[in-house]
Amino acid sequence: DAGITQSPRHKVTETGTPVTLRCHQTENHRYMYWYRQDPGHGLRLIHYSYGVKDTDKGEVSDGYSVSRSKTEDFLLTLESATSSQTSVYFCAISESKARSYGYTFGSGTRLTVV
Amino acid sequence: DQQVKQNSPSLSVQEGRISILNCDYTNSMFDYFLWYKKYPAEGPTFLISISSIKDKNEDGRFTVFLNKSAKHLSLHIVPSQPGDSAVYFCAASAMDGGSQGNLIFGKGTKLSVKP
Repeated sequence: DAGITQSPRHKVTETGTPVTLRCHQTENHRYMYWYRQDPGHGLRLIHYSYGVKDTDKGEVSDGYSVSRSKTEDFLLTLESATSSQTSVYFCAISESKARSYGYTFGSGTRLTVV
Repeated sequence: DQQVKQNSPSLSVQEGRISILNCDYTNSMFDYFLWYKKYPAEGPTFLISISSIKDKNEDGRFTVFLNKSAKHLSLHIVPSQPGDSAVYFCAASAMDGGSQGNLIFGKGTKLSVKP
């Protein structure tokens, strides 16, 4: 596909445990994003990155942290997972802020917190 | 406070007819609008976009119309095909006014095209 891979694709974890989701791109794009998709809420931005070690919060950042130590990898960490973080998580990439062509999304990670 | 609204959760259309998906927004600073299509168990894929300096953009069977005075856009699919059955997300962005160029999405509309 478009050179963006999310891992794992599915994960079940227990409340209170830490979880890290990985997004890997081979496009050398500068911008990377983490969104979550929930019924009745659409896609909501969690965190985004505009370069190595440059990250910022999105709309629903509470309970999440991110890191980007290399251009190709953007990690999303749930420090202590809660049931409200059960969701489908999508990573996206874009080459620039020229927004007419939007983002390229990964296939998603379905996370269940029990 | 929802800045991008898709008020119809679902839409059912007969194959060959027109599908019209609607989107409203509240932030007058939005200057790019996009439509994404999403199949189950896949990520959203970019469909078509429009700049705020235009009122129409067409790509094959897909046309997006923008009415800035009404803060409304719509996606027309003509003719509709069963393969168009998916969830459609409207998205918008603005360099200023809060979104910092990031895309803000609506809740989506599930389109079903019946043979």
